[in-house]
Amino acid sequence: SAVISQKPSRDICQRGTSLTIQCQVDSQVTMMFWYRQQPGQSLTLIATANQGSEATYESGFVIDKFPISRPNLTFSTLTVSNMSPEDSSIYLCSVDGQRTDTQYFGPGTRLTVL
Amino acid sequence: GNSVTQMEGPVTLSEEAFLTINCTYTATGYPSLFWYVQYPGEGLQLLLKATKADDKGSNKGFEATYRKETTSFHLEKGSVQVSDSAVYFCALSDKEDKIIFGKGTRLHILP
Repeated sequence: SAVISQKPSRDICQRGTSLTIQCQVDSQVTMMFWYRQQPGQSLTLIATANQGSEATYESGFVIDKFPISRPNLTFSTLTVSNMSPEDSSIYLCSVDGQRTDTQYFGPGTRLTVL
Repeated sequence: GNSVTQMEGPVTLSEEAFLTINCTYTATGYPSLFWYVQYPGEGLQLLLKATKADDKGSNKGFEATYRKETTSFHLEKGSVQVSDSAVYFCALSDKEDKIIFGKGTRLHILP
């Protein structure tokens, strides 16, 4: 398994601002994923980020709202842009287990937008 | 499309009770199946997995068997503890290695 850290662990932000969430892995991984978990809900995949290529977004999510960077095999960022209270969620990154179909998750970033 | 359906919570049990959380899935092909657990204030942790029919995943006293004939992957534990209180997610991986999650079942264990 991989050890994954996220920064910040939580934040309270004002409407209209942007927040960048960092995800760091202790080993090189091919695929990294970003999920959103709205209060009391399950996880929804936002996008898949492979190193060296554009992120692939799921239906309902767009790059202008959730730009993603993947500069190397151990790091990724997700930006939540022009935030509104509806963006209040836990944002989690995950990585694929090498040569398995298991994903391992970071501790999450709890975002509250006022 | 692929989907996961799990029993709605919350589920409240007394300590040492037997636990079952039902999970059924719809998928093309033969997905891998997972149970993830989210303890209060923490991220998701993989609890157990099974990759083919009749496989049994097990961890921390929890078990689940991949039943292709009933498309189910029910989670069971013979004697729950207060520390098992958490939200449990059933999930499957599709052929693109994307994880599809159920809605989660909140479990409360009373001392």
